[in-house]
Amino acid sequence: GENVEQHPSTLSVQEGDSAVIKCTYSDSASNYFPWYKQELGKRPQLIIDIRSNVGEKKDQRIAVTLNKTAKHFSLHITETQPEDSAVYFCAEGITGANSKLTFGKGITLSVRP
Amino acid sequence: DTAVSQTPKYLVTQMGNDKSIKCEQNLGHDTMYWYKQDSKKFLKIMFSYNNKELIINETVPNRFSPKSPDKAHLNLHINSLELGDSAVYFCASSLQADTQYFGPGTRLTVL
Repeated sequence: GENVEQHPSTLSVQEGDSAVIKCTYSDSASNYFPWYKQELGKRPQLIIDIRSNVGEKKDQRIAVTLNKTAKHFSLHITETQPEDSAVYFCAEGITGANSKLTFGKGITLSVRP
Repeated sequence: DTAVSQTPKYLVTQMGNDKSIKCEQNLGHDTMYWYKQDSKKFLKIMFSYNNKELIINETVPNRFSPKSPDKAHLNLHINSLELGDSAVYFCASSLQADTQYFGPGTRLTVL
């Protein structure tokens, strides 16, 4: 993976609403797409990931969709809560011993109570 | 039961000094990384090691020298610190470049 774009750069939603964050990538060989959440002053933590052999994955209120043809993947958060407020990073890469992840620039999600 | 740990958590030093940051993981992973996160929150990879061998070196000044004494440790030594080195440095580890787990970060401030 060489380049990953993340949109939008900031997002503000009302508590209870849904939030969608989209990332586009350029390397068609990429096969691993994780999403990380970073709260203020804390480390990035994996919240969900998807591999290129599936199109969607869900874990409670969060889901990730992958469109390999269009080279984009999205994070969906439903029923947002104030504790969802954080910076979210998408990343993409090719798994294997000599590979790396390329991270997007991050998006700041604010959930208004 | 800490998975990826770093020391120190905070580091304040003068320009021109040399400093080291240590990282240890107890997850049995074979790959470790150093990232730099600047004030704009951008996470940029600096180095990665697989089984103690340098795999990735991303155009980092040679004032930065990583050292991996064994698979569970990856230390970062920085010579002649500059103002622009101020950032949060994160260590991470993974198995075969799969899911990466981050350490708590080291906030470096160069005065």
